[in-house]
Amino acid sequence: DIQMTQSPSSLSASVGDRVTITCQASQDISNYLNWYQQKPGKAPKLLIYDASNLETGVPSRFSGSGSGTDFTFTISSLQPEDIATYYCQQYDNLPRTFGPGTKVDIK
Amino acid sequence: QVQLQESGPGLVKPSQTLSLTCTVSGGSISSGSYYWSWIRQPAGKGLEWIGRIYTSGSTNYNPSLKSRVTISVDTSKNQFSLKLSSVTAADTAVYYCARDLGGSYYYWGQGTLVTVSS
Repeated sequence: DIQMTQSPSSLSASVGDRVTITCQASQDISNYLNWYQQKPGKAPKLLIYDASNLETGVPSRFSGSGSGTDFTFTISSLQPEDIATYYCQQYDNLPRTFGPGTKVDIK
Repeated sequence: QVQLQESGPGLVKPSQTLSLTCTVSGGSISSGSYYWSWIRQPAGKGLEWIGRIYTSGSTNYNPSLKSRVTISVDTSKNQFSLKLSSVTAADTAVYYCARDLGGSYYYWGQGTLVTVSS
């Protein structure tokens, strides 16, 4: 299985701050990486696919980059509605695997 | 707009079989190049991929669960189902069904909590 790690596991930032989350794969997954946002009690929502493509309707303050084993997810200006847990997910191989998540709070 | 809805018992006894169904609305389960997947999430923890089925009936399972999992599809009812046998408390989780396009999950059910307890 491809192992996915994320850092940090949690963070607190102020409204308007730039927030960066990193995701690392245990082997090269090219750009087969998604980012999801999950709010409490809700299903995950796809934000970024193919490592850097913004899903339709997702605000442009969200972005992703990277390829191979190292990936970055950025919120350029944190908003109160962005409070959630963010997960990366690889789809290069089966089984699909997710990172452990990064919980984002407002300071 | 495609919608998915999980249904099934919320409480299962240890050693028994967990059975869930996902009903797809807003589109035919047979149309398009989609896989239909099950993903679970223990309380306060991360997401675990259980497996998927294509409408042809072809399946893929997580090796960690493969010996206990069966996913099936009923195209006439626009549903697909999950069976997980010999459950233990470790199988207590919110179970999601989701539509898989190229490995990306755009559509999810709301999730259903299944508790394994006597």
